[in-house]
Amino acid sequence: AQSVTQLDSHVSVSEGTPVLLRCNYSSSYSPSLFWYVQHPNKGLQLLLKYTSAATLVKGINGFEAEFKKSETSFHLTKPSAHMSDAAEYFCVVTPYSGAGSYQLTFGKGTKLSVIP
Amino acid sequence: GAVVSQHPSWVICKSGTSVKIECRSLDFQATTMFWYRQFPKQSLMLMATSNEGSKATYEQGVEKDKFLINHASLTLSTLTVTSAHPEDSSFYICSAMDGTSGYNEQFFGPGTRLTVL
Repeated sequence: AQSVTQLDSHVSVSEGTPVLLRCNYSSSYSPSLFWYVQHPNKGLQLLLKYTSAATLVKGINGFEAEFKKSETSFHLTKPSAHMSDAAEYFCVVTPYSGAGSYQLTFGKGTKLSVIP
Repeated sequence: GAVVSQHPSWVICKSGTSVKIECRSLDFQATTMFWYRQFPKQSLMLMATSNEGSKATYEQGVEKDKFLINHASLTLSTLTVTSAHPEDSSFYICSAMDGTSGYNEQFFGPGTRLTVL
């Protein structure tokens, strides 16, 4: 079984300050982990993914995440928030990295607000 | 590359009618497609998984006869909401994956907003 816990339902930051969105996971195998962003009434856009390669993963728009197996965490960070970053963010896990492992489990989401 | 489209982007229908939503992979062959449902301010819930040429596999609690899924080709899957009722109003999102690539990334469509009056 696998699960994802996004520790904050809502995060508010000032423009230009760092962003930290927290995600913990549980998985019986070596998982693949993803962060997706969803703007209002839009589909999901992949920010970054971890698939058992480098533990520090760099994504689009300046976001990055670090896979920490000992802490079962995959927190999303960005050094400086921009107004356009305001959106809903989902942490997602699959059971393992190999082909055929496509059952995605979504976290409940974290809404990021950016204050001018 | 890896673009998935959905049509329509939004639809309003009367209670009791049926609505068909299309999901297309534009630049790759989608051996597997997924349909999700998202209620306001909530996460995505997987409804069903469909492989091209096979019957869809529905998640527990999803009515097969209400949500008809057809994956007739490697680029098209359809979700038909039959005899829609107001409680079916939701945001429906599809995703597609090329299962032959050895890589498990799903590519998501932009979603379809269904409102049943």
